[in-house]
Amino acid sequence: TQLLEQSPQFLSIQEGENLTVYCNSSSVFSSLQWYRQEPGEGPVLLVTVVTGGEVKKLKRLTFQFGDARKDSSLHITAAQPGDTGLYLCAGEGDSNYQLIWGAGTKLIIKP
Amino acid sequence: DTGVSQDPRHKITKRGQNVTFRCDPISEHNRLYWYRQTLGQGPEFLTYFQNEAQLEKSRLLSDRFSAERPKGSFSTLEIQRTEQGDSAMYLCASSLPGGVETQYFGPGTRLLVL
Repeated sequence: TQLLEQSPQFLSIQEGENLTVYCNSSSVFSSLQWYRQEPGEGPVLLVTVVTGGEVKKLKRLTFQFGDARKDSSLHITAAQPGDTGLYLCAGEGDSNYQLIWGAGTKLIIKP
Repeated sequence: DTGVSQDPRHKITKRGQNVTFRCDPISEHNRLYWYRQTLGQGPEFLTYFQNEAQLEKSRLLSDRFSAERPKGSFSTLEIQRTEQGDSAMYLCASSLPGGVETQYFGPGTRLLVL
């Protein structure tokens, strides 16, 4: 069974600080997606990473896919209150359609 | 708006009642998924359609749950004889087949069973 573990589960920091969220597995994924979800809304896709070692940047967010395609990280520089939300990673595994989901990291940025 | 839409956004019902939710996927997407999400958790897969064919159902989907996609476009999820444990956010997503599996989500339907 393929699993994705996210850490930390919860993070509360001050505006302007940096943070990193991790998504780890013992399984290989052909791609991995990061989503952000706000309360009462559906997840919104942030990025998809496909190649081992790939780094993608989205403004202050930097996403990295591990060389072995078993893990990923999300780094936020100079966090802002607008970054508050639930960050979810989801991996495309053995099934050709079903994504394997992490439980999410709840991030709160205090002004 | 060409995104995934869901209706209703919120539903409050009494235990034992039936409820039906609708999902309209992105028009060119022929894959459609239903998920259930409880507070602070990731989405749990319920079922999956490719066009009108329901190709996979999770063990989470009891006999009280049924989903249809009759013309390969919109889909409905019905819950019969609702229970308090059915209270959750029900999410719909769609995707294009082939290549990387990237799913686009609707805003969800939040169900509260009293």
